[in-house]
Amino acid sequence: NAGVTQTPKFQVLKTGQSMTLQCAQDMNHNSMYWYRQDPGMGLRLIYYSASEGTTDKGEVPNGYNVSRLNKREFSLRLESAAPSQTSVYFCASNRIHTGANQPQHFGDGTRLSIL
Amino acid sequence: ELKVEQNPLFLSMQEGKNYTIYCNYSTTSDRLYWYRQDPGKSLESLFVLLSNGAVKQEGRLMASLDTKARLSTLHITAAVHDLSATYFCAVDSNYGGSQGNLIFGKGTKLSVKP
Repeated sequence: NAGVTQTPKFQVLKTGQSMTLQCAQDMNHNSMYWYRQDPGMGLRLIYYSASEGTTDKGEVPNGYNVSRLNKREFSLRLESAAPSQTSVYFCASNRIHTGANQPQHFGDGTRLSIL
Repeated sequence: ELKVEQNPLFLSMQEGKNYTIYCNYSTTSDRLYWYRQDPGKSLESLFVLLSNGAVKQEGRLMASLDTKARLSTLHITAAVHDLSATYFCAVDSNYGGSQGNLIFGKGTKLSVKP
């Protein structure tokens, strides 16, 4: 079972370059999330998509955009990368409906360095 | 604004010893999650705690939730090296409604030494 798949796993960018991080899940989950993880900071939510066709800002959205392409895929775009965006990025998904309390399932992460 | 604090942030234990990790949160919530992360790896769900007084156990780990005190604990019994990892608690920000977004603590890095 693939679960949540993130690509690429590693990336090095120069300041000002753009790139898109891809995420796909095969668990028929309706909700998807993008987090960043920095040393000593835990995970912080960047954007989320509660269902196909909707996206909302999380705690740290500045400098990022997202697209919920379909139910399976949720991408994160850095339009003009900055060194402060060097981080490990995790995508997660779960199924949300009344009475459901499933934990989020996480991908393996994308390690992004911006020089 | 919901804030989640874990302590300790670093924990070095000897094998065979017991210890507790604490997770405090600042506003009312009725859903709390514990995750484990090995170095360089993804997060793995350990426990989902949904009500006051909830207690769940898996092997040497036991988690509990006191919603009145806004406190969850993760108790480690007779630690073994394989438990070395970083443990995160995460609190649901949407009290009383459907699942909301999670606010994570900073994590507790556990090192179990022989």
